[in-house]
Amino acid sequence: KAGVTQTPRYLIKTRGQQVTLSCSPISGHRSVSWYQQTPGQGLQFLFEYFSETQRNKGNFPGRFSGRQFSNSRSEMNVSTLELGDSALYLCASSLRPGQGSYGYTFGSGTRLTVV
Amino acid sequence: AQSVTQPDIHITVSEGASLELRCNYSYGATPYLFWYVQSPGQGLQLLLKYFSGDTLVQGIKGFEAEFKRSQSSFNLRKPSVHWSDAAEYFCAVDGNNDMRFGAGTRLTVKP
Repeated sequence: KAGVTQTPRYLIKTRGQQVTLSCSPISGHRSVSWYQQTPGQGLQFLFEYFSETQRNKGNFPGRFSGRQFSNSRSEMNVSTLELGDSALYLCASSLRPGQGSYGYTFGSGTRLTVV
Repeated sequence: AQSVTQPDIHITVSEGASLELRCNYSYGATPYLFWYVQSPGQGLQLLLKYFSGDTLVQGIKGFEAEFKRSQSSFNLRKPSVHWSDAAEYFCAVDGNNDMRFGAGTRLTVKP
């Protein structure tokens, strides 16, 4: 059974540009959550999608957006990149919203560097 | 809302020594509790989870954790640490489908 696939693994962008990251969850998992991980702030929740609907959103500016497709694949977009957006972006899939007793399965992440 | 505290930012143990990583949570009821491990440049891997029943839970890689309601703690333990256990460990709490992670504890293993 394939794991959670995030693409690309590494990305370098310039300030002001926009970026799109992709996440394919485990087959059968319909919930996808996104986290930003930085040394200073740790793991911060961005948003969660279930059945193509944003179910929950963290405290991030509107430059951060996401969506989920009918096959449960998800994308997140960051517009007008800032240096502070440099981080490891992690995607996590689960069977249904939240984790309940299941726990997340994480992808390996996309390392975004903004220069 | 619930919160998680991992009091130790960095711990160093010798290979073969025992390990205990601390985790305290704040939540009105008993939440779901998790420990994850992250190797450098990788995502997080679920080590173990607790949601009800026996308060001592066994996980992968020889780890175990004990839920203590009276202390609001969920400490992770391993009797004998291996060099490959060097990584960052995250405690997580899910209360009412709202997941929160601790700041993490970095484990260094000395030869």
